[in-house]
Amino acid sequence: DAGVTQSPTHLIKTRGQQVTLRCSPKSGHDTVSWYQQALGQGPQFIFQYYEEEERQRGNFPDRFSGHQFPNYSSELNVNALLLGDSALYLCASSRGTEDEQFFGPGTRLTVL
Amino acid sequence: KQEVTQIPAALSVPEGENLVLNCSFTDSAIYNLQWFRQDPGKGLTSLLLIQSSQREQTSGRLNASLDKSSGRSTLYIAASQPGDSATYLCAVSMTTDSWGKLQFGSGTQVVVTP
Repeated sequence: DAGVTQSPTHLIKTRGQQVTLRCSPKSGHDTVSWYQQALGQGPQFIFQYYEEEERQRGNFPDRFSGHQFPNYSSELNVNALLLGDSALYLCASSRGTEDEQFFGPGTRLTVL
Repeated sequence: KQEVTQIPAALSVPEGENLVLNCSFTDSAIYNLQWFRQDPGKGLTSLLLIQSSQREQTSGRLNASLDKSSGRSTLYIAASQPGDSATYLCAVSMTTDSWGKLQFGSGTQVVVTP
């Protein structure tokens, strides 16, 4: 049973560019959450998708957007990249919105 | 506003010693609390989930306790091994957040020396 998968593993972009990160949830899970983790910090909640809708959003600007597909996979898009967007981006999945969350390996984004 | 704190930020113990990791939170209206392990540059591995109605959870050498009234959880790791070296994070979800948003502490970095 595959766990949560994320692609790509690493990305290097320059300021002002746009990036798309992808996540496939664990089998049987229908809810996907995205988190940003800066070096030495705990993850910060970006948003959560359930039934293809954004259900809750953290304190992130509109440059951060997402999408959930009918197969429950999800994308995170970041526009107009800033140096401060450099971080590990983590995807988590769960059954519904109140169950234990399982995390993927993350995508390391570096903005130069 | 919920604040989750983990002290100390780093901890070093000799192999075989028991590990005690602390997590405190300011708002007791939590739905559940989860402990995670993170290896350098990697994702999070779920260790234990404690529902707000529970006092503790156990899995192998790991035991986590929860005291909502005092805003504390403790993760105990018995007979530590070098393979236990990692960063340990706690996270809470709130009853006021119907969509299961996790709020994390900054973690405790653990080194177990042979």
